[in-house]
Amino acid sequence: DTEVTQTPKHLVMGMTNKKSLKCEQHMGHRAMYWYKQKAKKPPELMFVYSYEKLSINESVPSRFSPECPNSSLLNLHLHALQPEDSALYLCASSQDRQRAKNIQYFGAGTRLSVL
Amino acid sequence: AQSVTQLGSHVSVSEGALVLLRCNYSSSVPPYLFWYVQYPNQGLQLLLKYTSAATLVKGINGFEAEFKKSETSFHLTKPSAHMSDAAEYFCAVIATAGGTSYGKLTFGQGTILTVHP
Repeated sequence: DTEVTQTPKHLVMGMTNKKSLKCEQHMGHRAMYWYKQKAKKPPELMFVYSYEKLSINESVPSRFSPECPNSSLLNLHLHALQPEDSALYLCASSQDRQRAKNIQYFGAGTRLSVL
Repeated sequence: AQSVTQLGSHVSVSEGALVLLRCNYSSSVPPYLFWYVQYPNQGLQLLLKYTSAATLVKGINGFEAEFKKSETSFHLTKPSAHMSDAAEYFCAVIATAGGTSYGKLTFGQGTILTVHP
């Protein structure tokens, strides 16, 4: 089973709202990732967690706040977003960050619209 | 730094025809390369991976790719296209060990495959 589950599938929020995206995997993977994908563009890496610790932050604005409560769960907390933050947010996981174990499996994504 | 370039943002084929999607990589060390497929309004699905074993890699749905070091290429092929193959395809490379980008997956710009009946 290579399933990564993301909720919700769709989210509409105002610029003053606070919301969270959730990602879950039960493959025993110890690396988890958040990507942002704008229309007709490839995914862009936002954050990487390795063994529940933040390893990479690709200079993402502080209105995006990641959290990894345990090895199976990854959250992305959203606050005071801008309309340009509207995108598909993808979560992925891999066994490890080492190249030989870094085969990333993706969830279906959360389609976010900021009004 | 590692990177990939996909040649052709759009490829159109007839059903039953050969599919060829091109990807060239840039890497100072042996790369780990991947092909992903994305259907409309969905996430990415792993098609196949090259991790320095066999140069001809077979994936799901009848796709395969050949790693050619001399050409720095990792092109994706399928002998006979099916309507269900219509999607966007991304080539990707994993950053090598060391540095802040360790483990980062870098994608090409994507190729949209259209299949005509």
